[in-house]
Amino acid sequence: EDQVTQSPEALRLQEGESSSLNCSYTVSGLRGLFWYRQDPGKGPEFLFTLYSAGEEKEKERLKATLTKKESFLHITAPKPEDSATYLCAVFTQGGSEKLVFGKGTKLTVNP
Amino acid sequence: DADVTQTPRNRITKTGKRIMLECSQTKGHDRMYWYRQDPGLGLRLIYYSFDVKDINKGEISDGYSVSRQAQAKFSLSLESAIPNQTALYFCATAKFTDTQYFGPGTRLTVL
Repeated sequence: EDQVTQSPEALRLQEGESSSLNCSYTVSGLRGLFWYRQDPGKGPEFLFTLYSAGEEKEKERLKATLTKKESFLHITAPKPEDSATYLCAVFTQGGSEKLVFGKGTKLTVNP
Repeated sequence: DADVTQTPRNRITKTGKRIMLECSQTKGHDRMYWYRQDPGLGLRLIYYSFDVKDINKGEISDGYSVSRQAQAKFSLSLESAIPNQTALYFCATAKFTDTQYFGPGTRLTVL
């Protein structure tokens, strides 16, 4: 069964304190890995798509990387406005066409 | 204007009532999806559609039905609502097997 596990479940940082969020996956065949940001009561907002091991993508203070078993979302010098839940999802080759989501990491950045 | 819109944004209903949630998109995508999100369970796929004539069940379709009225419109119905269908519901769209873009969500409460 395809599985996506995100850690930690929650993370508190001080403004400017860099850290990383982890997304590990066990799937029959990876077609793509997606990172989303979700604010409370709102829909997930697309951040990045990664397709193959070694790929990296950056956007402002965020950088996503991918290996054969996991992905990291690195947050450099975060600001309070980066506070949100970050969701990881994988698109698999086997079975029905669907995104398998992790449960998310809730990030809080204190000023 | 938002690319993916959902109506209503909030709905409170009673057990046994029929309710319809609507989704419209202006992105020109063929693929549309309905998800529900529950605390601690993450996003789960209810139904998805690749075009007007193609409807597929997701992992939690029991108690739900859908209608794809046009390329741009995809509705989710609860024929007889029950309290454990209280959740956040999201519509998403995609072009082929690519990034899914989410709507703002509908918060449904079944009393």
